[in-house]
Amino acid sequence: AQSVAQPEDQVNVAEGNPLTVKCTYSVSGNPYLFWYVQYPNRGLQFLLKYITGDNLVKGSYGFEAEFNKSQTSFHLKKPSALVSDSALYFCAVRDPSGGGNKLTFGTGTQLKVEL
Amino acid sequence: EPEVTQTPSHQVTQMGQEVILRCVPISNHLYFYWYRQILGQKVEFLVSFYNNEISEKSEIFDDQFSVERPDGSNFTLKIRSTKLEDSAMYFCASSGYSGGVHSYNEQFFGPGTRLTVL
Repeated sequence: AQSVAQPEDQVNVAEGNPLTVKCTYSVSGNPYLFWYVQYPNRGLQFLLKYITGDNLVKGSYGFEAEFNKSQTSFHLKKPSALVSDSALYFCAVRDPSGGGNKLTFGTGTQLKVEL
Repeated sequence: EPEVTQTPSHQVTQMGQEVILRCVPISNHLYFYWYRQILGQKVEFLVSFYNNEISEKSEIFDDQFSVERPDGSNFTLKIRSTKLEDSAMYFCASSGYSGGVHSYNEQFFGPGTRLTVL
């Protein structure tokens, strides 16, 4: 069974500082990994994905994530945080070896960027 | 930019009543999904739909739930007899397919329908 862990319920960062939101996963095969962001009263917006290839993937709004197979991690990063980045961030995994398309989400990490 | 739309944005119903949640996926997408998010909890997969049939469903998706693509553009989730514990935000999503072994396209989510069962 596939699963995702986001160990931090909340991350606080000062504007202009780098941010990291952590994610680890468990799948039986090679994972497809995703980050989504949710603003209040809005749906989930896709940020970036890792399917295969380069371990560092770049996405929307200056975010990037690094796939680390040995540590089964896919941490989200941004070199310089903005107040407007404050939102709820979800990591998700799909296990293609299972044959289905379903995404399994983590519990979410609330990012708060302060001036 | 194309987007997934959902109606209504908020549905209030009495326990035991039937509800239908509606979604219009992105027009050239082939895969459709429903997820739900109970307040304060994580997003959970309910069902996926491809080629006019269910391709995968979770344990949550029991006989009270059904999905349909009635007219080639809408994708609906029906809950036959709602329970208090069905209160949640329901998200519709869709994804395309661009070919190749590793061509898996991300799922695009709608804004959600908040279902409140009284």
